[in-house]
Amino acid sequence: AQSVTQLDSQVPVFEEAPVELRCNYSSSVSVYLFWYVQYPNQGLQLLLKYLSGSTLVKGINGFEAEFNKSQTSFHLRKPSVHISDTAEYFCAVTSTGNQFYFGTGTSLTVIP
Amino acid sequence: EAGVAQSPRYKIIEKRQSVAFWCNPISGHATLYWYQQILGQGPKLLIQFQNNGVVDDSQLPKDRFSAERLKGVDSTLKIQPAKLEDSAVYLCASSPVRGLTDTQYFGPGTRLTVL
Repeated sequence: AQSVTQLDSQVPVFEEAPVELRCNYSSSVSVYLFWYVQYPNQGLQLLLKYLSGSTLVKGINGFEAEFNKSQTSFHLRKPSVHISDTAEYFCAVTSTGNQFYFGTGTSLTVIP
Repeated sequence: EAGVAQSPRYKIIEKRQSVAFWCNPISGHATLYWYQQILGQGPKLLIQFQNNGVVDDSQLPKDRFSAERLKGVDSTLKIQPAKLEDSAVYLCASSPVRGLTDTQYFGPGTRLTVL
């Protein structure tokens, strides 16, 4: 079975600073990777996903993630965060023959 | 376009009682998912439906949990009897087709507290 590790449970960052949220997954022949975001009092929504092709994936709200097969990582980045980015971020993985697995989440707090 | 609807939003029950949650997916979405999210953890898939058939229920505790999706539209998840460890947020999601690469659209969740 697949697994996902989000290394940081909480990440505080000042407004307009860059941020990286880390995600590692257990190795598989071919994986599909996702980042979902959960804003306060809202349902999860997709930020971006890696299916194949370019390893740099751009998503909504200025976020991007890079698929690194050798390090089995899919870290999420944003060059300059806003107050409105305060939310819980979940990395998820699936592959052929497996179900969907979410990480435990990273709580991003943007400090004014 | 209306999103995924869930009700109730909150439920408090005592252990050994029964409870049911309802989900109405986005219109036309073939696949429906139920997840359990315990505080401090990521969502865990309980069951996945494709239209009105079960695709995956390997992590559903079948001795107490049941789910149905009659007519391939809305769905009900039931717990009978509830245990303290069932306290969690129950999330429903839907996607247009059954594909590993599909975007899932989530409802707001039902927060269950078992006393």
